[in-house]
Amino acid sequence: DGGITQSPKYLFRKEGQNVTLSCEQNLNHDAMYWYRQDPGQGLRLIYYSQIVNDFQKGDIAEGYSVSREKKESFPLTVTSAQKNPTAFYLCASSTLLGTGMEEQYFGPGTRLTVT
Amino acid sequence: AQTVTQSQPEMSVQEAETVTLSCTYDTSESDYYLFWYKQPPSRQMILVIRQEAYKQQNATENRFSVNFQKAAKSFSLKISDSQLGDAAMYFCALIMYNNNDMRFGAGTRLTVKP
Repeated sequence: DGGITQSPKYLFRKEGQNVTLSCEQNLNHDAMYWYRQDPGQGLRLIYYSQIVNDFQKGDIAEGYSVSREKKESFPLTVTSAQKNPTAFYLCASSTLLGTGMEEQYFGPGTRLTVT
Repeated sequence: AQTVTQSQPEMSVQEAETVTLSCTYDTSESDYYLFWYKQPPSRQMILVIRQEAYKQQNATENRFSVNFQKAAKSFSLKISDSQLGDAAMYFCALIMYNNNDMRFGAGTRLTVKP
């Protein structure tokens, strides 16, 4: 079955440590996205990528980094510079027809807790 | 900048009844798309319905329909014959034509009472 996988589902880290969240898709989608979800704030875009080896910052990119070495993979690193990293992180992907009409398909999410 | 506002943090509906979730947005662009996503307790985001701004006809998907008022920048979701499985967070989202930056509202938590 095609889809998006995120691992792990729950992740715990100590403050000051970098942590990488995995996102893989087998939908042959060109575009991939990372969102952060906090209670009462909906989803906010962290980074997105339209093509391998290229990505753009979203509204809240500070303290995060990404890479896109393969079309299928778009890992997100939460660095120690992120002031409030505890959140639910969602990865998504879509085709890239260039109109914006494309549905974004979401992974199951990773709940990151930093103490 | 584009913004999306959902003014109802929580709503409830009796099973088999109809409920309408509100969404307003702000953009200076004329070409854009609007979406409603559902997030059940599993937290898996699922597309419910989408609307192209250039289409006057309101989108419909089975029991889900929208009331799109472009001049008022309003995009409400109507759920008919509500079912227990409709209980979820519902997010309204806006994306500009030829852009990948989707903006989400804060969400409305829908409870369905048996």
